[in-house]
Amino acid sequence: DQQVKQNSPSLSVQEGRISILNCDYTNSMFDYFLWYKKYPAEGPTFLISISSIKDKNEDGRFTVFLNKSAKHLSLHIVPSQPGDSAVYFCAASLSSGGSNYKLTFGKGTLLTVNP
Amino acid sequence: GAGVSQSPSNKVTEKGKDVELRCDPISGHTALYWYRQSLGQGLEFLIYFQGNSAPDKSGLPSDRFSAERTGGSVSTLTIQRTQQEDSAVYLCASSLNGGERQETQYFGPGTRLLVL
Repeated sequence: DQQVKQNSPSLSVQEGRISILNCDYTNSMFDYFLWYKKYPAEGPTFLISISSIKDKNEDGRFTVFLNKSAKHLSLHIVPSQPGDSAVYFCAASLSSGGSNYKLTFGKGTLLTVNP
Repeated sequence: GAGVSQSPSNKVTEKGKDVELRCDPISGHTALYWYRQSLGQGLEFLIYFQGNSAPDKSGLPSDRFSAERTGGSVSTLTIQRTQQEDSAVYLCASSLNGGERQETQYFGPGTRLLVL
């Protein structure tokens, strides 16, 4: 049972435009969400996170939006750059049960930014 | 400073053989994690070490999988009697203290395991 879902395996956008990557989750106990970026032959690198007490977090060109009622989050990249081309993973964790270090990942979305 | 390193980067083995995968975490990081990414899937949590505490092995898929962390630093993930479904990228991560969800996990490049 996939608790974190990224339904779009790939996304292609033009340089300078907005990229929107989506993520849905089923476990309402999740209260912390993260986005990781992964280049080929490298490990994932942390990009941005959001706590469930917020609905938006911004860091430079990257903004994450959280809609708790819809159990949905999205990552916006504005403006998109060719160097943003990578696989983006959504991840979630829950603070209860003493295992808040355990991240549950989606399958990833391959973003291609065309020059 | 140096990031998380893993070895080997690629491993091809025959079904039924044992394999050992190594992870060197970032110096000073007390928490260490192993994940697995099978083809077309997300990262799947396997095991977590934090300092001298008993590891959380809840993600290990079978008793053929084991891991140890010697001296609070280097970790080895061992898969005994490998099966074709064990083929995946095995990723190791470390973080400074562990136990805090806000703490960034730093990932190594992974070991790509292929079981023939």
